[in-house]
Amino acid sequence: NAGVTQTPKFRILKIGQSMTLQCTQDMNHNYMYWYRQDPGMGLKLIYYSVGAGITDKGEVPNGYNVSRSTTEDFPLRLELAAPSQTSVYFCASSLQGDSNQPQHFGDGTRLSIL
Amino acid sequence: AQSVTQLGSHVSVSEGALVLLRCNYSSSVPPYLFWYVQYPNQGLQLLLKYTSAATLVKGINGFEAEFKKSETSFHLTKPSAHMSDAAEYFCAVSDRISGGGADGLTFGKGTHLIIQP
Repeated sequence: NAGVTQTPKFRILKIGQSMTLQCTQDMNHNYMYWYRQDPGMGLKLIYYSVGAGITDKGEVPNGYNVSRSTTEDFPLRLELAAPSQTSVYFCASSLQGDSNQPQHFGDGTRLSIL
Repeated sequence: AQSVTQLGSHVSVSEGALVLLRCNYSSSVPPYLFWYVQYPNQGLQLLLKYTSAATLVKGINGFEAEFKKSETSFHLTKPSAHMSDAAEYFCAVSDRISGGGADGLTFGKGTHLIIQP
């Protein structure tokens, strides 16, 4: 009963390095989302996908890229890490993209840029 | 765009006391509203959701919330707090992503619930 799985759980990067945050779900959900959570703030949407091969920007997409080659996987890439990207990143999925469908969240990736 | 305001970044109650976490929303249309709970080092878990059926919504772990349109509120309550309820609670409203093909969640800043023994 895995649900949404994120790896790694923790990572420290140097400024300018790149990395990919992995997200996979085993619920055959069509919609997937990436959020970031900054201290004392709610989650903000970075990117989302409505199905394999289709992605779109959310509220705070700058500095990130995504791809969706399969239904299960939705990786988030940071090309040139900056201190402002220090945050906790959550991946979520839902069966459909309408408001009646709850989003299921992974446990997060805690990322520090030094 | 929709927005959510959670009053009180921290709420402290005694074990066995009433829990009340406040959430107000702004929306030009009937909203879909959610409460999520986040335990330390974990992701968000859905507590309950309002989707315009009943105004009093019951969720997991004994929590419930009442939708009040006249007050634009969706406060979360639990009659008797348990130590295990200590967590971060987020209110969220569903909103069509600008120019997009899906509904996204707009979150409040969260309320940290502290349970005193």
